[in-house]
Amino acid sequence: DSGVTQTPKHLITATGQRVTLRCSPRSGDLSVYWYQQSLDQGLQFLIQYYNGEERAKGNILERFSAQQFPDLHSELNLSSLELGDSALYFCASSPGMAGIYEQYFGPGTRLTVT
Amino acid sequence: AQSVSQHNHHVILSEAASLELGCNYSYGGTVNLFWYVQYPGQHLQLLLKYFSGDPLVKGIKGFEAEFIKSKFSFNLRKPSVQWSDTAEYFCAVIRSTTSGTYKYIFGTGTRLKVLA
Repeated sequence: DSGVTQTPKHLITATGQRVTLRCSPRSGDLSVYWYQQSLDQGLQFLIQYYNGEERAKGNILERFSAQQFPDLHSELNLSSLELGDSALYFCASSPGMAGIYEQYFGPGTRLTVT
Repeated sequence: AQSVSQHNHHVILSEAASLELGCNYSYGGTVNLFWYVQYPGQHLQLLLKYFSGDPLVKGIKGFEAEFIKSKFSFNLRKPSVQWSDTAEYFCAVIRSTTSGTYKYIFGTGTRLKVLA
């Protein structure tokens, strides 16, 4: 158990819908990262927040957005869902924002878009 | 664009065989290098990391990796694998940007199956 929790574990929804994925970081960690893992593209970095502020952006689509709240939990919002958005979405956390920190990964949310 | 290549997507070994998983990256500046592992049904966890110093780093469970700057490589090795090493292995490169943020680039992963 990494200490990072993600809800829900599984989500099935239809194309065009909007969903919210939730992540609670390890106690004391200020950075939260979101990743998308699909079969053909591996693990893709989406976005990073540090202490409530966006710090780095990766291959995140405009249909996707995220935020980190004062209690440091984070939410990833996916809208206008397409079949290709079906993937495993991981959240990770680390104590700081520098690149030297180990990231602690959550169990992931499996999203299926039908 | 920066990339991380893991050339072996699937590897099958017998117990006690030696393992080497390749990882090459395309960025020429200073990088921080990581190997993560995902055992079946579990979350990704850190195997080892390299920031600076001795290019041969040792991680958990008998794994080690060697950073060869001239080859832009960070290959993962283990002299003798066990059935419990069956997992997916990810190489990751983290580098700083001129704007003070970081780029996080993971490889596509290598699935290792160890036969008992």
